[in-house]
Amino acid sequence: NAGVMQNPRHLVRRRGQEARLRCSPMKGHSHVYWYRQLPEEGLKFMVYLQKENIIDESGMPKERFSAEFPKEGPSILRIQQVVRGDSAAYFCASSPTLTGPYEQYFGPGTRLTVT
Amino acid sequence: AQTVTQSQPEMSVQEAETVTLSCTYDTSESDYYLFWYKQPPSRQMILVIRQEAYKQQNATENRFSVNFQKAAKSFSLKISDSQLGDAAMYFCAYRSDPGANSKLTFGKGITLSVRP
Repeated sequence: NAGVMQNPRHLVRRRGQEARLRCSPMKGHSHVYWYRQLPEEGLKFMVYLQKENIIDESGMPKERFSAEFPKEGPSILRIQQVVRGDSAAYFCASSPTLTGPYEQYFGPGTRLTVT
Repeated sequence: AQTVTQSQPEMSVQEAETVTLSCTYDTSESDYYLFWYKQPPSRQMILVIRQEAYKQQNATENRFSVNFQKAAKSFSLKISDSQLGDAAMYFCAYRSDPGANSKLTFGKGITLSVRP
């Protein structure tokens, strides 16, 4: 059973460009979370999605950031008009549909560098 | 809102010795889960151990154990017989609402180095 997949692993964008980060959850997982890790910081929650629905976007910046998890295909985190402050590692995690003391399984992250 | 505090930015331990990493949290909820995640230089987040708040017994996983003090809102991680491969950043995390999927709230992390 493949783990959570994220691509690309590294992404370099110039200021003003768009960044698209992709996340494929583990097989059978329908819940996806995105977190951002700034240098020397812990992970900060951004958004929680289920298939075709945004459940909690309380950690998402109001402008330039959007996320989706379509019925088919990976979840996408999109950052428009990137700025230097967007440089960070972006992690995706997924969890199964069952309730209980489940863990969130993390992907390897995408390191975004804005030049 | 829940907060997680890891006040020690760095710690060092001699190989084969025991080290304890501290974590405190703040919440008004009675049911929740606590986790310790390890992040080695590869940056992959790896679950080390979890604790359910309604369980009084401290969780253990091989060389890893926790000291969960619910009243004090403290959740420390003890690593016994430290190994070189234990060197990493360790994050304490909180998740509320056990009956549904919800976000993790992380502390800032602690960098653990292991001296050979």
